[in-house]
Amino acid sequence: TQLTQSPSSLSASVGDRVTITCRASQGIRSYLAWYQQKPGKAPKVLIYAASTLQSGVPSRFSGSGSGTEFSLIISNLQPEDFATYYCQQLNSYSFGQGTRLEIK
Amino acid sequence: QVQLVQSGAEVKKPGASVKVSCKASEYTFTSYDIHWVRQATGQGLEWMGWINPNSGHTGYAPTFQGRVTMTRDTSIGTAYMELSSLRSDDTAVYYCAREVDDTAFDYWGQGTLVTVSS
Repeated sequence: TQLTQSPSSLSASVGDRVTITCRASQGIRSYLAWYQQKPGKAPKVLIYAASTLQSGVPSRFSGSGSGTEFSLIISNLQPEDFATYYCQQLNSYSFGQGTRLEIK
Repeated sequence: QVQLVQSGAEVKKPGASVKVSCKASEYTFTSYDIHWVRQATGQGLEWMGWINPNSGHTGYAPTFQGRVTMTRDTSIGTAYMELSSLRSDDTAVYYCAREVDDTAFDYWGQGTLVTVSS
């Protein structure tokens, strides 16, 4: 199963609301996770099972979707949120190509 | 605090093999699958495969089938990933990660840089 993320890059300002989309080539029910990665660091899980917030992750992060269409929404962007985001499907474990979120 | 601690950076010549270790602590090693993911500089995440530390069963991404071997030593709570016939495009940071119940990779190692250069 292939995952296609969009956009590949995104510019936004502190306080903005942004949406990143992940599309699966075939249905994966809710077997999708979202990760944040900062330069030189390992990825960190934000959302699992498409919409469940990982413990300790701020509530401004949310996820939705099932089947083939999924979204990661970040509300009220904070300076520490500028990073690269990846979706991952937990059937065959492949990742999306990533979305780089940059400060406008 | 759950930790996955990986071995240090490696420099290898083309055609050689590399073996990276991932030592788990503060949880029951045999209760969670360990996965390996790599990332070339400036590139995305590439899943390589998994090992079940309890049974030793493995599953590999087609891209790496025949070149990768994942093993474990339950006596010391350590997983290993060996990649053979190295090429320059295998230069990357290699991560181990713990999977939780088909939901996500919740803990990651710090990464091991493998450089393949003549």
